[in-house]
Amino acid sequence: GQNIDQPTEMTATEGAIVQINCTYQTSGFNGLFWYQQHAGEAPTFLSYNVLDGLEEKGRFSSFLSRSKGYSYLLLKELQMKDSASYLCAPMDSNYQLIWGAGTKLIIKP
Amino acid sequence: GAVVSQHPSWVICKSGTSVKIECRSLDFQATTMFWYRQFPKQSLMLMATSNEGSKATYEQGVEKDKFLINHASLTLSTLTVTSAHPEDSSFYICSARFPRDLETQYFGPGTRLLVL
Repeated sequence: GQNIDQPTEMTATEGAIVQINCTYQTSGFNGLFWYQQHAGEAPTFLSYNVLDGLEEKGRFSSFLSRSKGYSYLLLKELQMKDSASYLCAPMDSNYQLIWGAGTKLIIKP
Repeated sequence: GAVVSQHPSWVICKSGTSVKIECRSLDFQATTMFWYRQFPKQSLMLMATSNEGSKATYEQGVEKDKFLINHASLTLSTLTVTSAHPEDSSFYICSARFPRDLETQYFGPGTRLLVL
């Protein structure tokens, strides 16, 4: 079956760094997405990895290891507005996104 | 980036009524649109895949007679929740995909439905 595993909730301090891990199992693989979702809003795109390695985009970086079925999202210089849920979503062989429940990130001053 | 809109953003209705939600791709033609539902603190659940000019493909467990999907044009798909009940109260989100970009989905802002 298809499965996503992310921590349910994480807490970090403003200005710090946090890493959100994701392990996945899918039927086929066409890349992995990270989305940010604020409460009551639709997801917004953060990153897409299809090859192994690290993709850096400003304060956010995403890493992928296809052989391990593992990805992480790294957030640096945390700001209060980063408080949100972060969704790891691999894409299967049918180009369908597989969604987990996401990781709720709480930023404290 | 591409823009997808949804209307309405909020709807409150009485049990037994039908509610129509529109999803529009504003600056591109989307041959494929997706409808998701999300209950509080849960993951997005794909309800159906809508292809322009053909019948929608529903996911297992989603009643096609209750959730009517019409994708009549390349920029508009509609989801009608027929005879809505309180358990249908949820956050409904659509997304749209470019014809030759299978990896990327552009999400609408979502529609929150409350059935009393």
